[in-house]
Amino acid sequence: DQQVKQNSPSLSVQEGRISILNCDYTNSMFDYFLWYKKYPAEGPTFLISISSIKDKNEDGRFTVFLNKSAKHLSLHIVPSQPGDSAVYFCAARPFGAGSYQLTFGKGTKLSVIP
Amino acid sequence: GAGVSQTPSNKVTEKGKYVELRCDPISGHTALYWYRQSLGQGPEFLIYFQGTGAADDSGLPNDRFFAVRPEGSVSTLKIQRTERGDSAVYLCASSETTAGELFFGEGSRLTVL
Repeated sequence: DQQVKQNSPSLSVQEGRISILNCDYTNSMFDYFLWYKKYPAEGPTFLISISSIKDKNEDGRFTVFLNKSAKHLSLHIVPSQPGDSAVYFCAARPFGAGSYQLTFGKGTKLSVIP
Repeated sequence: GAGVSQTPSNKVTEKGKYVELRCDPISGHTALYWYRQSLGQGPEFLIYFQGTGAADDSGLPNDRFFAVRPEGSVSTLKIQRTERGDSAVYLCASSETTAGELFFGEGSRLTVL
């Protein structure tokens, strides 16, 4: 049973436009959400995160939105750049016991076309 | 560099053989994690160390898998009697504190023929 779902395996966006990557979760114990970016042959690198007490967090071109009632979050990249082409993983961690353990989605491969 | 270092980067072995994968975390990071990423999947938690002890090994798939961190720094993931289904990228990560930001290594790609 997948607790973190990224239903779009891939996404293509024109350079300069907005990229929107979606993520859904099922576990109500999750209270902290993260996005990781992964280039081929490299490990995932932390991009941005959001606590369940917020509904938006912004860092430069990257904004994460959280809708707790819908158990849905999204990552917006504006404007998209060719260097953003990578696999993006949504991840979640629970509060309390086991808060060190991340549960990842399967990832979305973003291609930004010049 | 000062990042998480994993060796070997690639390992090809035959079914039934024993394999060791090494992780050298960022200096001073007390927490260390192993994750496994199978083809088309996201990383899956295997084990978490706080210092020298395995605080949570609930993600290890079976008793063929074992990990150690004897001096609270370098960790070794050991896989006995490898099976084809063990083929995956094994990722190591470390963090300064429990639930702190995770820094991942580049991974060790294991292929079992």
